[in-house]
Amino acid sequence: DTEVTQTPKHLVMGMTNKKSLKCEQHMGHRAMYWYKQKAKKPPELMFVYSYEKLSINESVPSRFSPECPNSSLLNLHLHALQPEDSALYLCASSQEGQGRGNTIYFGEGSWLTVV
Amino acid sequence: GQQVMQIPQYQHVQEGEDFTTYCNSSTTLSNIQWYKQRPGGHPVFLIQLVKSGEVKKQKRLTFQFGEAKKNSSLHITATQTTDVGTYFCAGPRGFKTIFGAGTRLFVKA
Repeated sequence: DTEVTQTPKHLVMGMTNKKSLKCEQHMGHRAMYWYKQKAKKPPELMFVYSYEKLSINESVPSRFSPECPNSSLLNLHLHALQPEDSALYLCASSQEGQGRGNTIYFGEGSWLTVV
Repeated sequence: GQQVMQIPQYQHVQEGEDFTTYCNSSTTLSNIQWYKQRPGGHPVFLIQLVKSGEVKKQKRLTFQFGEAKKNSSLHITATQTTDVGTYFCAGPRGFKTIFGAGTRLFVKA
C-alpha cells in the first residue's frame, strides 16, 4: 500500500479539455514531485516542489501547470494536451529533496489518455 | 552529465533460475537506490546502499555496491513468478535522483 494517494486513477481527455491530477501525502514529507512515465521507460522527472516552492522544472511545456496548495497536496493542471502526452503520471514525495539519499515514495499513478 | 546505465534491458528466466541486473555510473555515487515496478503498478522502493563495498540482503535478493561506488548489482536467487516486474536503480545527480533504464524480468513457471 502506498502512502501517496493520487486521483483519478484513469483519465481520458480531449485535446481542448482542462483537467487536473491530484496528489496527497500525509507522511510529513517536505518534497513532492511529478513524474511522467511512458511504456517500458523509467520515470522522467517533471517538477519538484521543496517546502511548497517550485524548485525544479525540467523544461516541461506550459500545457502542464503544477500547483502546491500546501505541504500535503500537489496538483498538476492539464490544458491543451497532445496525444503524445498520454502516459502514466506519478506523484511522489520524499522527506527532503532528492539527491540526498532520501527514499522516494511513489503514488499509484494516474493513467492519462489524450484523444 | 552523469548517467546511470543499467543492463540487461530485459531477461527471461525459468522459475527457479537466478537473475542479476547491473547498474553503472560514469561518476562516483554517494548512494544508490533500487526500486521495483510490477506490471501495471508503480515503482516501490527496495533498498538504499551507501557504503563502498556494501552488501545487503532481503530474503532472496542480494544488493551490492561496488568498491569505487560507481556500480551496483541486484541478484535474485531462485526466481519466483512474484519477482516479475521492472527493476530500476537510481542515483543522485545534484539535487535530483536519476533512474536507470530498468531491467524487465520475465519468469516462466
